[in-house]
Amino acid sequence: GQNIDQPTEMTATEGAIVQINCTYQTSGFNGLFWYQQHAGEAPTFLSYNVLDGLEEKGRFSSFLSRSKGYSYLLLKELQMKDSASYLCAADTGNQFYFGTGTSLTVIP
Amino acid sequence: DAGITQSPRHKVTETGTPVTLRCHQTENHRYMYWYRQDPGHGLRLIHYSYGVKDTDKGEVSDGYSVSRSKTEDFLLTLESATSSQTSVYFCAISPGNTIYFGEGSWLTVV
Repeated sequence: GQNIDQPTEMTATEGAIVQINCTYQTSGFNGLFWYQQHAGEAPTFLSYNVLDGLEEKGRFSSFLSRSKGYSYLLLKELQMKDSASYLCAADTGNQFYFGTGTSLTVIP
Repeated sequence: DAGITQSPRHKVTETGTPVTLRCHQTENHRYMYWYRQDPGHGLRLIHYSYGVKDTDKGEVSDGYSVSRSKTEDFLLTLESATSSQTSVYFCAISPGNTIYFGEGSWLTVV
């Protein structure tokens, strides 16, 4: 079966840095997605990692280690609007398997 | 804007009635997906399509059927709705190295 794990909840302070981890075990793997989802809204695309290493995109960075089945999303200079759920998803070819999401609360 | 619209956006229906959700895309993408999202389970794939009349099951397909007679439309049908199908349903398209989601359809089965 496919297994995607991420922490259920995290809390961080405005202006700080937070790292959200995701581990995966899938039969077949092309890449790893990260999505942001605010309550009552659709998920929106943040990043897609295919190769090992860190990819930076503004305040958000995403890391992938294919050999370890591990990824993380790094959010810098946290803002109140970053309070949301963050979903990781494994691309196994023609299907995508999602974790249950990490609910991030940013406090003043 | 990925050009995906879902209808209806909100629906309340009674147990045992048939329900059809519609997903419409304007981008002419080959792959389309239906997911449901529930607390504690995240997004789970119901069915997907890789072309007109080409569909396949996902991990939670029981109780659901789909049809795709045109590239732009992907329909999800609950033949006889049950309370366990109360959920938020998201349609998605995949134009390559990303997935775009529709705004969601909130379905309540009473």
